[in-house]
This record gives sequence, structure tokens and C-alpha cells, in this order.
Amino acid sequence: GENVEQHPSTLSVQEGDSAVIKCTYSDSASNYFPWYKQELGKRPQLIIDIRSNVGEKKDQRIAVTLNKTAKHFSLHITETQPEDSAVYFCAASANQAGTALIFGKGTTLSVSS
Amino acid sequence: DTEVTQTPKHLVMGMTNKKSLKCEQHMGHRAMYWYKQKAKKPPELMFVYSYEKLSINESVPSRFSPECPNSSLLNLHLHALQPEDSALYLCASSPTWQGRYEQYFGPGTRLTVT
Repeated sequence: GENVEQHPSTLSVQEGDSAVIKCTYSDSASNYFPWYKQELGKRPQLIIDIRSNVGEKKDQRIAVTLNKTAKHFSLHITETQPEDSAVYFCAASANQAGTALIFGKGTTLSVSS
Repeated sequence: DTEVTQTPKHLVMGMTNKKSLKCEQHMGHRAMYWYKQKAKKPPELMFVYSYEKLSINESVPSRFSPECPNSSLLNLHLHALQPEDSALYLCASSPTWQGRYEQYFGPGTRLTVT
């Protein structure tokens, strides 16, 4: 089955710096890769996702890159702000009926002002 | 309406109690999920309902009993829980149970078993 590894487990940056979180996956059939942000005491919320037919996707300060050959994908946050502080989860799944979303273990991002 | 709602927000129950968690969505989604989440850990899949039929039970103890009365509602019945069952229980939905669709999460029920 699919296995998703996520690094680092914690990340501390200064406000305005960039943050990068990396994930690797094992199942070559996986082709959907969402990123969820979870603030303390709140629900996971999708912040960006990418499908295997593109290599990069950007939404304002957030971007995701995908390397299908190497089976890894990364979240890039530029110009970080204190409100970016949260736990970030990557996930992967295949475009097949009955496929579960497999989550990474999460990265706790702390942005200090 | 792009929201999944859950009640109650918080629940404290003893090990001999019976209680139920409720989840509702009105997005016309045909797949609904229950997850269990411990602090700073990823959500763990418990159950999947697809078109109101139980499709996955991830070896969850029988003290958790899911129910899907209709395509908009999902319940989780709790009985004789253990303290280690204390966690955030999240409901989610997606258009169908197919990996390429976003899952929308509810706010969760914070469960404490005493």
C-alpha cells in the first residue's frame, strides 16, 4: 500500500522567510496530492493540491511542486506570516474508486515575528 | 453550502455511557468518512461510506458503530469506550469515493472518555 513520508516534523522560521516542507510517496499509481493546514483546535483545511499532469501549481504565497519520477512533492510558502503557524499535512491518493487518502505525519510550522 | 457540520463540539463520557456523534453535509457528496485524530498526528481513517453503504472499516473496535441514515447524514455510535479513545473525531465528505476529489472536513467533536 501507499506510504507517505513528510519532513521536517518541525520548522521554525522568521516572519518574511520562506518555508519548504517535503513529502515522498511510494505508490507510483498515486496521482492526487493535497496539502492540508490545521490550526490548533480547528479542522484540516485544504490549502492547495496538485494532480500528476502538472509539475507546479501556485496560489499567491503558496506553491506546490511535484516530481513524479522521484516520487516527491513539496509545499513552498513565501513571505511567511505569523498566521501561517499551524500543522501542515501532505497526502497522496490514486485516482481509483475506493482509494483512501494517505497522510504524512505532519509538520509543525512556527513563524515568529 | 460547502460546509460539513458536526455535533456536539465537545463530549465527555464515562466508560459505561452510550453516546452518538452526528455529521451532516448538503453538498450532494456521496462519500462520507469518519477519522480519529490525536494531537499533532494525522487523521486516521476509521470508516468510509460510499452511496450510503459501508465500504471500509479499518479494523475499528466494535465499541464504535457507524450509521448512514441517508446521503446527507452520518452518525457514529459510541458504547463502552476506553480512555485511550479520547481524541478529536472528524467527519469528512467528498463527491465520490475516488482519490482525486478533495475531502471536506467538519470541525470535529472533541471526545474525552473518563
